[in-house]
Amino acid sequence: GQNIDQPTEMTATEGAIVQINCTYQTSGFNGLFWYQQHAGEAPTFLSYNVLDGLEEKGRFSSFLSRSKGYSYLLLKELQMKDSASYLCAVQDLGGATNKLIFGTGTLLAVQP
Amino acid sequence: DTEVTQTPKHLVMGMTNKKSLKCEQHMGHRAMYWYKQKAKKPPELMFVYSYEKLSINESVPSRFSPECPNSSLLNLHLHALQPEDSALYLCASSQRRDSVFGDQETQYFGPGTRLLVL
Repeated sequence: GQNIDQPTEMTATEGAIVQINCTYQTSGFNGLFWYQQHAGEAPTFLSYNVLDGLEEKGRFSSFLSRSKGYSYLLLKELQMKDSASYLCAVQDLGGATNKLIFGTGTLLAVQP
Repeated sequence: DTEVTQTPKHLVMGMTNKKSLKCEQHMGHRAMYWYKQKAKKPPELMFVYSYEKLSINESVPSRFSPECPNSSLLNLHLHALQPEDSALYLCASSQRRDSVFGDQETQYFGPGTRLLVL
Protein backbone atom coordinates (compact mmCIF):
# COMPACT_ATOMS: atom_id res chain seq x y z
CA GLY A 1 0.00 0.00 0.00
CA GLN A 2 0.88 3.67 -0.08
CA ASN A 3 1.56 5.42 3.20
CA ILE A 4 3.03 8.85 3.84
CA ASP A 5 3.14 10.18 7.40
CA GLN A 6 3.66 13.71 8.64
CA PRO A 7 2.85 15.38 11.95
CA THR A 8 -0.58 17.00 11.82
CA GLU A 9 0.36 20.28 13.46
CA MET A 10 3.47 22.11 14.67
CA THR A 11 4.06 25.43 16.38
CA ALA A 12 7.25 27.47 16.27
CA THR A 13 8.46 30.95 17.14
CA GLU A 14 9.34 33.72 14.72
CA GLY A 15 13.08 33.72 13.99
CA ALA A 16 13.54 30.10 15.07
CA ILE A 17 14.24 26.92 13.08
CA VAL A 18 11.67 24.17 12.55
CA GLN A 19 12.01 20.71 11.04
CA ILE A 20 8.99 18.97 9.51
CA ASN A 21 9.44 15.22 9.10
CA CYS A 22 7.93 12.91 6.52
CA THR A 23 8.18 9.12 6.37
CA TYR A 24 6.93 7.11 3.43
CA GLN A 25 6.25 3.57 2.30
CA THR A 26 5.23 3.49 -1.34
CA SER A 27 5.26 0.86 -4.07
CA GLY A 28 7.20 3.14 -6.40
CA PHE A 29 9.54 6.05 -5.81
CA ASN A 30 10.80 8.62 -8.27
CA GLY A 31 11.47 11.56 -6.03
CA LEU A 32 9.92 13.46 -3.15
CA PHE A 33 8.39 16.92 -3.29
CA TRP A 34 7.57 19.48 -0.65
CA TYR A 35 4.78 21.98 -1.28
CA GLN A 36 3.62 24.95 0.79
CA GLN A 37 -0.08 25.75 0.92
CA HIS A 38 -1.55 28.82 2.57
CA ALA A 39 -5.16 28.56 3.66
CA GLY A 40 -7.54 28.78 0.70
CA GLU A 41 -4.72 28.95 -1.84
CA ALA A 42 -3.04 26.52 -4.22
CA PRO A 43 0.00 24.44 -3.24
CA THR A 44 3.27 26.03 -4.36
CA PHE A 45 6.37 24.00 -5.14
CA LEU A 46 9.20 24.26 -2.62
CA SER A 47 11.67 21.46 -3.28
CA TYR A 48 12.43 18.15 -4.98
CA ASN A 49 14.78 15.40 -3.79
CA VAL A 50 15.55 12.19 -5.63
CA LEU A 51 19.07 11.46 -4.35
CA ASP A 52 20.06 11.08 -0.72
CA GLY A 53 21.25 14.24 0.94
CA LEU A 54 20.41 17.82 1.62
CA GLU A 55 19.14 20.37 -0.91
CA GLU A 56 19.33 23.98 0.23
CA LYS A 57 17.29 26.84 -1.18
CA GLY A 58 17.58 30.03 0.80
CA ARG A 59 15.80 29.69 4.14
CA PHE A 60 14.38 26.30 3.17
CA SER A 61 16.29 23.01 2.98
CA SER A 62 15.05 19.51 2.26
CA PHE A 63 16.71 16.20 3.13
CA LEU A 64 16.12 12.70 1.80
CA SER A 65 17.19 9.23 2.93
CA ARG A 66 15.82 6.67 0.50
CA SER A 67 17.02 3.68 2.53
CA LYS A 68 15.08 4.94 5.54
CA GLY A 69 12.05 6.20 3.62
CA TYR A 70 12.50 9.54 5.33
CA SER A 71 12.59 13.20 4.43
CA TYR A 72 12.47 16.46 6.28
CA LEU A 73 11.89 20.10 5.42
CA LEU A 74 13.94 22.59 7.43
CA LEU A 75 12.78 26.16 7.69
CA LYS A 76 15.23 28.71 9.12
CA GLU A 77 14.69 32.26 10.36
CA LEU A 78 10.98 31.67 10.55
CA GLN A 79 8.68 34.48 9.51
CA MET A 80 4.99 34.94 10.23
CA LYS A 81 4.23 34.40 6.54
CA ASP A 82 5.62 30.85 6.85
CA SER A 83 2.44 29.89 8.71
CA ALA A 84 0.92 27.43 6.24
CA SER A 85 0.35 23.76 5.57
CA TYR A 86 3.39 21.84 4.30
CA LEU A 87 2.69 18.85 2.07
CA CYS A 88 5.12 16.00 1.49
CA ALA A 89 4.46 14.12 -1.76
CA VAL A 90 6.11 11.08 -3.34
CA GLN A 91 6.31 10.88 -7.11
CA ASP A 92 5.31 7.45 -8.34
CA LEU A 93 6.50 7.06 -11.90
CA GLY A 94 3.97 4.76 -13.49
CA GLY A 95 4.75 4.38 -17.16
CA ALA A 96 3.76 7.41 -19.18
CA THR A 97 2.05 9.21 -16.34
CA ASN A 98 3.33 10.35 -13.01
CA LYS A 99 1.24 10.42 -9.88
CA LEU A 100 1.91 12.42 -6.77
CA ILE A 101 0.97 10.67 -3.56
CA PHE A 102 0.41 13.30 -0.88
CA GLY A 103 0.84 13.05 2.84
CA THR A 104 -1.85 14.54 5.05
CA GLY A 105 0.09 17.78 5.45
CA THR A 106 1.58 19.54 8.47
CA LEU A 107 -0.08 22.76 9.60
CA LEU A 108 2.66 25.07 10.88
CA ALA A 109 1.76 28.01 13.10
CA VAL A 110 4.48 30.62 13.57
CA GLN A 111 4.00 32.71 16.70
CA PRO A 112 5.55 36.09 17.53
CA ASP B 1 6.74 31.31 -16.04
CA THR B 2 4.92 28.63 -14.09
CA GLU B 3 1.40 29.99 -14.25
CA VAL B 4 -1.72 27.89 -14.36
CA THR B 5 -4.98 29.83 -14.45
CA GLN B 6 -8.41 28.65 -13.39
CA THR B 7 -11.89 30.11 -13.78
CA PRO B 8 -14.11 30.82 -12.03
CA LYS B 9 -12.54 31.48 -8.63
CA HIS B 10 -15.79 30.74 -6.84
CA LEU B 11 -18.87 28.84 -7.94
CA VAL B 12 -22.19 28.20 -6.24
CA MET B 13 -24.51 25.72 -7.90
CA GLY B 14 -27.64 23.76 -7.20
CA MET B 15 -27.83 20.00 -7.45
CA THR B 16 -29.69 20.20 -10.79
CA ASN B 17 -27.33 22.67 -12.44
CA LYS B 18 -24.73 22.04 -15.11
CA LYS B 19 -21.53 24.04 -14.88
CA SER B 20 -17.93 23.83 -16.08
CA LEU B 21 -14.56 24.61 -14.53
CA LYS B 22 -11.78 25.78 -16.80
CA CYS B 23 -8.01 25.51 -16.55
CA GLU B 24 -5.35 26.92 -18.85
CA GLN B 25 -1.57 26.73 -19.07
CA HIS B 26 0.81 28.10 -21.69
CA MET B 27 4.00 26.44 -20.52
CA GLY B 28 3.85 23.65 -23.10
CA HIS B 29 3.33 21.07 -20.37
CA ARG B 30 2.28 17.67 -21.64
CA ALA B 31 0.28 16.56 -18.59
CA MET B 32 -2.67 18.20 -16.85
CA TYR B 33 -4.46 17.14 -13.70
CA TRP B 34 -7.67 17.70 -11.74
CA TYR B 35 -7.59 17.41 -7.96
CA LYS B 36 -10.28 17.79 -5.32
CA GLN B 37 -9.33 19.16 -1.92
CA LYS B 38 -11.50 19.24 1.18
CA ALA B 39 -10.65 21.47 4.14
CA LYS B 40 -7.60 20.38 6.12
CA LYS B 41 -6.99 17.44 3.78
CA PRO B 42 -4.38 16.92 1.06
CA PRO B 43 -5.36 17.16 -2.62
CA GLU B 44 -7.00 14.01 -4.01
CA LEU B 45 -6.21 13.14 -7.60
CA MET B 46 -9.25 12.87 -9.87
CA PHE B 47 -8.03 12.78 -13.47
CA VAL B 48 -4.79 12.95 -15.44
CA TYR B 49 -4.44 13.87 -19.10
CA SER B 50 -1.22 13.10 -20.90
CA TYR B 51 -0.76 14.51 -24.42
CA GLU B 52 -4.47 15.39 -24.46
CA LYS B 53 -5.57 11.82 -23.70
CA LEU B 54 -7.14 10.68 -20.46
CA SER B 55 -4.57 8.44 -18.79
CA ILE B 56 -5.86 8.20 -15.22
CA ASN B 57 -9.40 8.28 -13.83
CA GLU B 58 -9.31 7.64 -10.10
CA SER B 59 -12.77 6.04 -10.05
CA VAL B 60 -14.44 9.44 -10.08
CA PRO B 61 -18.28 9.48 -10.25
CA SER B 62 -19.69 10.17 -13.70
CA ARG B 63 -21.24 13.44 -12.53
CA PHE B 64 -17.69 14.79 -13.07
CA SER B 65 -16.68 14.75 -16.73
CA PRO B 66 -13.24 15.95 -17.83
CA GLU B 67 -12.40 17.28 -21.26
CA CYS B 68 -9.11 18.33 -22.85
CA PRO B 69 -9.90 20.38 -25.99
CA ASN B 70 -6.21 21.07 -26.69
CA SER B 71 -2.81 20.90 -25.07
CA SER B 72 -3.33 24.17 -23.16
CA LEU B 73 -6.88 23.72 -21.89
CA LEU B 74 -8.55 21.40 -19.44
CA ASN B 75 -12.22 21.51 -18.48
CA LEU B 76 -14.21 19.78 -15.80
CA HIS B 77 -17.93 19.51 -16.53
CA LEU B 78 -20.20 19.22 -13.53
CA HIS B 79 -23.73 17.84 -13.52
CA ALA B 80 -26.09 16.74 -10.75
CA LEU B 81 -23.55 17.28 -8.02
CA GLN B 82 -24.15 16.54 -4.35
CA PRO B 83 -23.48 18.84 -1.39
CA GLU B 84 -20.55 16.61 -0.38
CA ASP B 85 -18.87 17.58 -3.66
CA SER B 86 -18.31 21.06 -2.26
CA ALA B 87 -14.54 21.54 -2.18
CA LEU B 88 -11.59 23.37 -3.70
CA TYR B 89 -10.92 22.03 -7.20
CA LEU B 90 -7.33 22.37 -8.27
CA CYS B 91 -5.83 22.07 -11.71
CA ALA B 92 -2.14 21.33 -12.21
CA SER B 93 0.21 20.81 -15.12
CA SER B 94 3.65 19.26 -15.49
CA GLN B 95 6.37 18.41 -17.97
CA ARG B 96 8.82 15.54 -17.52
CA ARG B 97 12.40 16.72 -17.43
CA ASP B 98 15.15 14.15 -17.91
CA SER B 99 18.29 14.68 -15.89
CA VAL B 100 21.18 12.66 -14.53
CA PHE B 101 19.15 12.42 -11.34
CA GLY B 102 16.12 10.85 -12.98
CA ASP B 103 12.80 11.97 -14.41
CA GLN B 104 11.65 15.00 -12.47
CA GLU B 105 8.11 16.10 -13.22
CA THR B 106 7.12 19.00 -11.00
CA GLN B 107 3.41 19.73 -10.88
CA TYR B 108 2.43 23.40 -10.83
CA PHE B 109 -0.97 24.21 -9.43
CA GLY B 110 -3.53 26.80 -10.39
CA PRO B 111 -5.28 28.93 -7.74
CA GLY B 112 -8.29 26.65 -7.67
CA THR B 113 -12.05 27.01 -7.93
CA ARG B 114 -13.94 26.98 -4.65
CA LEU B 115 -17.18 25.12 -5.32
CA LEU B 116 -20.26 25.15 -3.13
CA VAL B 117 -23.11 22.81 -3.99
CA LEU B 118 -26.45 23.67 -2.40
